Amino acid sequence: TAGITQAPTSQILAAGRSMTLRCTQDMRHNAMYWYRQDLGLGLRLIHYSNTAGTTGKGEVPDGYSVSRANTDDFPLTLASAVPSQTSVYFCASSVSGDSPLHFGNGTRLTVT
Amino acid sequence: AQRVTQPEKLLSVFKGAPVELKCNYSYSGSPELFWYVQYSRQRLQLLLRHISRESIKGFTADLNKGETSFHLKKPFAQEEDSAMYYCALKGTGNQFYFGTGTSLTVIP
Repeated sequence: TAGITQAPTSQILAAGRSMTLRCTQDMRHNAMYWYRQDLGLGLRLIHYSNTAGTTGKGEVPDGYSVSRANTDDFPLTLASAVPSQTSVYFCASSVSGDSPLHFGNGTRLTVT
Repeated sequence: AQRVTQPEKLLSVFKGAPVELKCNYSYSGSPELFWYVQYSRQRLQLLLRHISRESIKGFTADLNKGETSFHLKKPFAQEEDSAMYYCALKGTGNQFYFGTGTSLTVIP
């Protein structure tokens, strides 16, 4: 089934450790996004990429990095996790222009 | 500044009653607005967008530029409408800005 795949589904991570959240889409969408979802704060944009080879910072980029080596993959890396990064992370994609977002199932991350 | 405000975190209505989820936005250009819905244990999905001017699952939303609002309405709520609803604005640079969400509960 076409769409966006995120891995892992959930993870418990010790503070100070690094981790990469994976996101792959097979819809050939140009734009990809990472959001975090927190109770009472809604979805906040972490990083985005309008096309392969380019990335940009969203509302809450600190502590996160991304890369976009090709159209399909958009991994999100936490270099040194902190408890405040405990959240549900959603990857999304869209065809460039005025197309809506398609979301993955999310990764639930707990930093202890 | 680009911002979306959803003033109600929680909203409860009885089955068959009308429901309105409020959304206000702040954007200097011509806005593109969306409503997304997240049912229990499911991924976020598009419910409707203002440029389509269509009704999805009985929901409609009209863009009011004068009031900078994009409220979501349904005349008769159903139990299956219980979900988290997010209003979103597509701003500059292809970035989407989301509100804090409204959790709708339809009471049978």
